[in-house]
Amino acid sequence: DQQVKQNSPSLSVQEGRISILNCDYTNSMFDYFLWYKKYPAEGPTFLISISSIKDKNEDGRFTVFLNKSAKHLSLHIVPSQPGDSAVYFCAASALRGTGNQFYFGTGTSLTVIP
Amino acid sequence: DGGITQSPKYLFRKEGQNVTLSCEQNLNHDAMYWYRQDPGQGLRLIYYSQIVNDFQKGDIAEGYSVSREKKESFPLTVTSAQKNPTAFYLCASSVRLSFTDTQYFGPGTRLTVL
Repeated sequence: DQQVKQNSPSLSVQEGRISILNCDYTNSMFDYFLWYKKYPAEGPTFLISISSIKDKNEDGRFTVFLNKSAKHLSLHIVPSQPGDSAVYFCAASALRGTGNQFYFGTGTSLTVIP
Repeated sequence: DGGITQSPKYLFRKEGQNVTLSCEQNLNHDAMYWYRQDPGQGLRLIYYSQIVNDFQKGDIAEGYSVSREKKESFPLTVTSAQKNPTAFYLCASSVRLSFTDTQYFGPGTRLTVL
């Protein structure tokens, strides 16, 4: 049972425009959310995180928004660059009930077109 | 140069054979993890270890075994009991086992069972 879902397997965006990657979750116990970026033949690398006490966290071109009532988070990349082309995974964890385990989504493949 | 290494990058085995995947980290992290990635699915947790000589089953531990004799090493054995062993395997580590600690991933091992 997939507790973290990324319903868009792929996304294409023009260079310089905004990329919006979406993630939905089902477990209301989740307290902490992360985004990872993965290039082919490499392991995922941490990008940005957000705690459930916030609704927005920003780091340079990357902003994560959290809507707890909708159980939805999104990653905004502005402006998008060709080097952003990768697979993006969202992940969630909880202080209680999940044994510190992270649950990952299925990933969204972003292509930024020059 | 700190990081996580996994070897080999590609591994081929005949059906019915056990195979051990290597994972080494020099980040001085206490916690280590093994994940499996299949096409169209998120990363799924196989085993994790909070500290030396301790490890716990994740969601899909059946057919796998691990050991944690040294802090820096967490090898995963895929046994012949694993029904669908062909997959991409990722090892990760974090400073400690915590629901907020960022996990750092190795480059992965792609196992193909013929």
